[in-house]
Amino acid sequence: DGGITQSPKYLFRKEGQNVTLSCEQNLNHDAMYWYRQDPGQGLRLIYYSQIVNDFQKGDIAEGYSVSREKKESFPLTVTSAQKNPTAFYLCASTKTLQVNNEQFFGPGTRLTVL
Amino acid sequence: AQSVAQPEDQVNVAEGNPLTVKCTYSVSGNPYLFWYVQYPNRGLQFLLKYITGDNLVKGSYGFEAEFNKSQTSFHLKKPSALVSDSALYFCAVRDWIYNQGGKLIFGQGTELSVKP
Repeated sequence: DGGITQSPKYLFRKEGQNVTLSCEQNLNHDAMYWYRQDPGQGLRLIYYSQIVNDFQKGDIAEGYSVSREKKESFPLTVTSAQKNPTAFYLCASTKTLQVNNEQFFGPGTRLTVL
Repeated sequence: AQSVAQPEDQVNVAEGNPLTVKCTYSVSGNPYLFWYVQYPNRGLQFLLKYITGDNLVKGSYGFEAEFNKSQTSFHLKKPSALVSDSALYFCAVRDWIYNQGGKLIFGQGTELSVKP
């Protein structure tokens, strides 16, 4: 899982609550990503950030928000507007946007709505 | 639109036998292809990538992949499977359009089961 940490490992949310998932990297990577994983659907991009103080919506951004105040941190907030948040969330980073750079992934956070 | 397909949800192999996990892709430009492996409740680990050059790419843990442009395929292979290879495998293509952040587009994954 390299130099990317995610916390917590497991998270339980009640209906109507906002929760924040942490992602930190010490790889000095410029770009960071949040993916959502559901069984049988692969990974889908939620948000990404190419540089500090800038981020863009991915394919499934509704009900999520992010910030990028520091290069090494990219927290994801799952808001009450996300109707089906139960999933495995993966954070990733890459050195630059050059296409030959692979992405490195964190260990993931499993979010369950009670 | 760029896409990746993994036609098999599950692949079963006996230990010691060769394994193949299939992947086909559709891209509008040059393909930048990746394989990742995921163990239960863990993040994805990078195995190998094809950017350009030799069609046979060697990666981690004895895995290799063959890029075939005419068949638009990038199958993952290993000459002799181990029980510890049992995991979920993802093929992915890198979106080469920079204004989309270089995101990876993933296949749905193939569960590899290696039996003793």
